[in-house]
Amino acid sequence: EDKVVQSPLSLVVHEGDTVTLNCSYEVTNFRSLLWYKQEKKAPTFLFMLTSSGIEKKSGRLSSILDKKELFSILNITATQTGDSAVYLCAVQPAGGTSYGKLTFGQGTILTVHP
Amino acid sequence: EAGVTQFPSHSVIEKGQTVTLRCDPISGHDNLYWYRRVMGKEIKFLLHFVKESKQDESGMPNNRFLAERTGGTYSTLKVQPAELEDSGVYFCASSLDRVSYEQYFGPGTRLTVT
Repeated sequence: EDKVVQSPLSLVVHEGDTVTLNCSYEVTNFRSLLWYKQEKKAPTFLFMLTSSGIEKKSGRLSSILDKKELFSILNITATQTGDSAVYLCAVQPAGGTSYGKLTFGQGTILTVHP
Repeated sequence: EAGVTQFPSHSVIEKGQTVTLRCDPISGHDNLYWYRRVMGKEIKFLLHFVKESKQDESGMPNNRFLAERTGGTYSTLKVQPAELEDSGVYFCASSLDRVSYEQYFGPGTRLTVT
């Protein structure tokens, strides 16, 4: 069974700090890894990673995938209080009938204090 | 562009009753997914529609759960009869097609079975 483990489970920082969130995975037939941010309700899509070593960036957020070591990191620089949220990592299998089935980790709760 | 919408946002029912949850995907998205998060656990896949057909229903917990997507537009998830362990947040997501895999989530329906 596919498995995703995120660490840390929670993190408290002050504005301006840089944080690194970790996601390791085991999946039988890997296609992609996705990051989501969940504030109050709907998880919102951040990144999809399919290839090793290629950094994806969006503003202060960036993410990279290592398919050899089976992990991904999400970096947030110069954190702001608006970054406070649960960050979810999920993996997606390739092919077959289960190509739409995301397997999620438990999430990292990030709290940014002013 | 309107996002994925779900109705109701919150439902409280007694054990043994029936509840129907509704999801309206992003217009034009052929793929529709249902997920569930029970207290303290990670988000878990329930099933995946491609248009009106069930592509993958491997995550459906038992036959008390019935999902439909008539006409390939909105979807309903019926729980009958509800049990205490069905309590949780039910998320719906949609994606455009098999090439564009990013899944966009709705705000969820919080189901409480008492």
